[in-house]
Amino acid sequence: DTEVTQTPKHLVMGMTNKKSLKCEQHMGHRAMYWYKQKAKKPPELMFVYSYEKLSINESVPSRFSPECPNSSLLNLHLHALQPEDSALYLCASSRTTPWAFGQYFGPGTRLTVL
Amino acid sequence: GENVEQHPSTLSVQEGDSAVIKCTYSDSASNYFPWYKQELGKRPQLIIDIRSNVGEKKDQRIAVTLNKTAKHFSLHITETQPEDSAVYFCAASGSNSGYALNFGKGTSLLVTP
Repeated sequence: DTEVTQTPKHLVMGMTNKKSLKCEQHMGHRAMYWYKQKAKKPPELMFVYSYEKLSINESVPSRFSPECPNSSLLNLHLHALQPEDSALYLCASSRTTPWAFGQYFGPGTRLTVL
Repeated sequence: GENVEQHPSTLSVQEGDSAVIKCTYSDSASNYFPWYKQELGKRPQLIIDIRSNVGEKKDQRIAVTLNKTAKHFSLHITETQPEDSAVYFCAASGSNSGYALNFGKGTSLLVTP
């Protein structure tokens, strides 16, 4: 299994809603990432979990809350989002650091905040 | 931190022609240079990568070259096909980057039949 999977594929939510994005990989990778991508822009790193511990938080607003329940799963909890948070949210994983063995992306969740 | 510049931002070629996308980086400690292809509405897909101990790497119609002295690397696509149309991102990473991939701004490649 060489895939990173993400659910849901699409999500529409209001500014007062609470929702969660899910990511899963079964490649034995020990680093997992959340990225935000706006149209025609490169992915923008939000969070990195290394060996289930949060190792990077790129000054992301607290309305985004990551969670890594185990080495295969990564969640992103969303609360009180703003319309400008509408974007493609990508999960990625790598065996260790990306420069050691590469980094692989999931298909993304297309989020729309109304 | 690392800064990656990518050119051109858009590229249009005729089917069968070659396409070249160039990136420069600033951190001499960077030692890993992947290229991602992202089709509309799809995930970024790792298509080729190169490490700093290698000057060139080929995989069928795609190749990447690296000039460490000049701090630039390039993606070459030969015999382009319409299905090569996508946005291509270069990136750089290494021990100074930790877990971060530093992406270029992307090149939108259009291959016309």
